Amino acid sequence: DGGITQSPKYLFRKEGQNVTLSCEQNLNHDAMYWYRQDPGQGLRLIYYSQIVNDFQKGDIAEGYSVSREKKESFPLTVTSAQKNPTAFYLCASSSSPSGWAYNEQFFGPGTRLTVL
Amino acid sequence: QKEVEQDPGPLSVPEGAIVSLNCTYSNSAFQYFMWYRQYSRKGPELLMYTYSSGNKEDGRFTAQVDKSSKYISLFIRDSQPSDSATYLCASQGAQKLVFGQGTRLTINP
Repeated sequence: DGGITQSPKYLFRKEGQNVTLSCEQNLNHDAMYWYRQDPGQGLRLIYYSQIVNDFQKGDIAEGYSVSREKKESFPLTVTSAQKNPTAFYLCASSSSPSGWAYNEQFFGPGTRLTVL
Repeated sequence: QKEVEQDPGPLSVPEGAIVSLNCTYSNSAFQYFMWYRQYSRKGPELLMYTYSSGNKEDGRFTAQVDKSSKYISLFIRDSQPSDSATYLCASQGAQKLVFGQGTRLTINP
C-alpha cells in the first residue's frame, strides 16, 4: 500500500530535550512538508522540501530543524529552543510542486507530542 | 490578517440538515481551492478541489468559489453522523498550501 507513515503516534518529552519525529513516504513524491496543528489554528507550515538535500523554512520554523537526505524520508527535530512544542504534528507529501499549479498534498496520520 | 480565514466553530446540526461551511481569502493570485476533511486524531484527507470560480459537485458535497468576493463554500446535503469531523479549506499558493483554521462540525443523530 502506498502512503505516508509517521512515528511514533504519541510522544512525550521532558522540557529541555530534543526529539525527532519520523516521516516516511513510498509514493515517490518529490515534495514533503511538516505542519503543526493547534486547536482553532488550522495547519501551520514549519518546513518544506521540494527535492532531496534542499528545504525551506515555512511560517513557524523557529525551534525546529529538518533534513532531507533521502527522497522518501523527512524527519523533523523539535529542539529545546521551541517554546511551546506540545501540538499535533502532520507530515505531508506531493508529487511535483510547480509554482501556483494545483498540487494535491497527502497527509500522514500525525504524531501527538506532549511536553511534560 | 491571515490569507485564508475560516470560522473555527464548533458547528452542531441535526442529522439530515444542509450544512454550509465558509472561508474567505485575501490573495487574488489564488486559483485552486480545496476542502480537506479531518477525523479526530487523524491526518486530513482531500474531499474535493475547484479551480477558479464556479461549482463542483460530488455526491452530497458541493464546493463553490466566488472569486469576485473571495469566498469559498462547502455545502453538505443530507448530513450524516459520519460527516462529523473538522473541515479545512485551503488555497494553493506558491509551492505550498495556505490553510484556514478549520471548522469542527458535529452531526447529531
